[in-house]
Amino acid sequence: GAVVSQHPSRVICKSGTSVKIECRSLDFQATTMFWYRQFPKQSLMLMATSNEGSKATYEQGVEKDKFLINHASLTLSTLTVTSAHPEDSSFYICSARAQGAGGYNEQFFGPGTRLTVL
Amino acid sequence: EDKVVQSPLSLVVHEGDTVTLNCSYEVTNFRSLLWYKQEKKAPTFLFMLTSSGIEKKSGRLSSILDKKELFSILNITATQTGDSAVYLCAVPTGTASKLTFGTGTRLQVTL
Repeated sequence: GAVVSQHPSRVICKSGTSVKIECRSLDFQATTMFWYRQFPKQSLMLMATSNEGSKATYEQGVEKDKFLINHASLTLSTLTVTSAHPEDSSFYICSARAQGAGGYNEQFFGPGTRLTVL
Repeated sequence: EDKVVQSPLSLVVHEGDTVTLNCSYEVTNFRSLLWYKQEKKAPTFLFMLTSSGIEKKSGRLSSILDKKELFSILNITATQTGDSAVYLCAVPTGTASKLTFGTGTRLQVTL
């Protein structure tokens, strides 16, 4: 089946630093990738929709200057958390939708990245 | 505003019990409803439902959709400890078909 990877799986950083998370579709091309955030014991909350070659669409309340998304190729999207603060500590999950997919079950999830900001 | 609500929030059962998880939704332009199982990491896909009244089955898991009453249920029979997980319900919304997730039901199956 389709595989989506994320790197790193876990990152600990100091407050004020920036952290980049990569999401890759390993065996398919993804025109659209989605970035979610999940706080402990809460559900996944969509942060932004990333389309290859164009600007990301951010959900209400998500600061686009703080969470920079780049989808430069059909297999890679990156999320950069700029000037991270402890409240940004969370589990970040990406998903990728296969090119030409019509069914909604064709959105494949990465394994997630746990970010801890000290 | 599109909304997906799951109940109960958490559930503890004994191995062998049968459980029913609920998902209700309010979305404009409904297309489908999806169920996922989330253990330690990312959600894994279980079912996609598009039509009312048609049960989908996979082993001990089954699910059905009621588009008139705007809800779906996920049944797990003869539960096992390996069924312990968070079960998420999601509905595609908007033109980008992004997924709106419910709150999730945390299921714990004990021996």
